Amino acid sequence: GQSLEQPSEVTAVEGAIVQINCTYQTSGFYGLSWYQQHDGGAPTFLSYNALDGLEETGRFSSFLSRSDSYGYLLLQELQMKDSASYFCAVTSGTYKYIFGTGTRLKVLA
Amino acid sequence: DAMVIQNPRYQVTQFGKPVTLSCSQTLNHNVMYWYQQKSSQAPKLLFHYYDKDFNNEADTPDNFQSRRPNTSFCFLDIRSPGLGDAAMYLCATSRDKGYEQFFGPGTRLTVL
Repeated sequence: GQSLEQPSEVTAVEGAIVQINCTYQTSGFYGLSWYQQHDGGAPTFLSYNALDGLEETGRFSSFLSRSDSYGYLLLQELQMKDSASYFCAVTSGTYKYIFGTGTRLKVLA
Repeated sequence: DAMVIQNPRYQVTQFGKPVTLSCSQTLNHNVMYWYQQKSSQAPKLLFHYYDKDFNNEADTPDNFQSRRPNTSFCFLDIRSPGLGDAAMYLCATSRDKGYEQFFGPGTRLTVL
């Protein structure tokens, strides 16, 4: 079967750094994406890794290790507006995306 | 500047009464997707199109059908909605494999 596992919930304070992990088991792999979704809203794209290593986009960074079937999203200088659900998603050999279980991030003042 | 538009935003239907959800895009993307998302769950892929090539997920119920008459529009038909079909339905587009998906605001479906 195909699965992507994430921690269900993470809590951190404003200004802190938080890491959200994603481990995957899929029949094909083309790349790993991260999406943010606020309550009642649609997912919005954050980052994408096709190759091993770190991708940095402002306060957000994403890491991929294909040999370990593992990636993470790193959020720095946390702000209250970062409170949301975060999903990793694997693009398989076709055009489909498989979403992870999702991590609910709570940022405390 | 709306890129992926879904109509209606909220849809109420009765058990067993067919319903159609629509999605349009101004991005001219090749790939369009329909997802179902229930509360506190991940989006679940129902179908995707690469251009006119239709791909149905193995576990998508037969009750769900889709049409893509042209590049810009895609429709989700639910032939006989059940109570378990109440969910947010998200449409998304992507230029190609590996590119970011752009999501519409979603249609929240209620089944009475």
